[in-house]
Amino acid sequence: AQSVSQHNHHVILSEAASLELGCNYSYGGTVNLFWYVQYPGQHLQLLLKYFSGDPLVKGIKGFEAEFIKSKFSFNLRKPSVQWSDTAEYFCAVSRKAAGNKLTFGGGTRVLVKP
Amino acid sequence: GAVVSQHPSWVICKSGTSVKIECRSLDFQATTMFWYRQFPKQSLMLMATSNEGSKATYEQGVEKDKFLINHASLTLSTLTVTSAHPEDSSFYICSAINSGRAVNEQFFGPGTRLTVL
Repeated sequence: AQSVSQHNHHVILSEAASLELGCNYSYGGTVNLFWYVQYPGQHLQLLLKYFSGDPLVKGIKGFEAEFIKSKFSFNLRKPSVQWSDTAEYFCAVSRKAAGNKLTFGGGTRVLVKP
Repeated sequence: GAVVSQHPSWVICKSGTSVKIECRSLDFQATTMFWYRQFPKQSLMLMATSNEGSKATYEQGVEKDKFLINHASLTLSTLTVTSAHPEDSSFYICSAINSGRAVNEQFFGPGTRLTVL
C-alpha cells in the first residue's frame, strides 16, 4: 500500500531560522507530489506541487521543495521563516493509476517563535 | 478560480440523527470529488471517491451504508452521515478535481466540523 512518512511531528524554531521538513513515500512508480499547509482554524492550502520537469519546485510564500527520485523524497524548505508560518504542514502523494487519490503524511506542526 | 465550498461549516446534532454535508465546486466542473475525515491532531484520511453519475468508491474500513455519498451533478457532491454517533464527530473535508484541466490537482473545501452529542 502507498504510504507517506513525515519524519517530524513537531518543529519549534525562531523567526529567521531555516526550515526543512522531510517527506518520504513508499511507491516506486510515477507519482505526483504535494505540500499543503493548514493555518490554525483555516482550511488546507496548496503550497506547491510536483508533476514532472524540474525537480526543484518553488511554491508560494517562499517555500520550495526538491524531488529526489532515488530517495523517494520530497522535502520542503524555507530559508527564513516568519511567525506567520506557524501552521501544520502536510505532504501528499497521488498517482493517476490509482484514481488520483491523495495519500497524506501524518503532518508536521511547526511553531515559529517571534 | 478553483473554489470549493462546503455547507454547513459547523453542525451539532443528536446521536441517532442524520446529517448531510454539501460540497460544491463554484467555478469549475468536477466529475470527481473526494471526501476526507480529519480527527483532532491527525492527518486527513480518505473516506471515499465520489464520481458524478455513478456510485462512490469507498476506502477500506469505511461503511458505505453509514456514509452515503451522492454526486448528482458536476458541481455538487453530498455526504450524509446516517445515524450519527459521538465517534463520528470529526472534521469532514471535500476536494474536487477540475474536469476541464489536464492536470489532476485537487482543490479543497474549507471543511465541516461535525459534533455528535
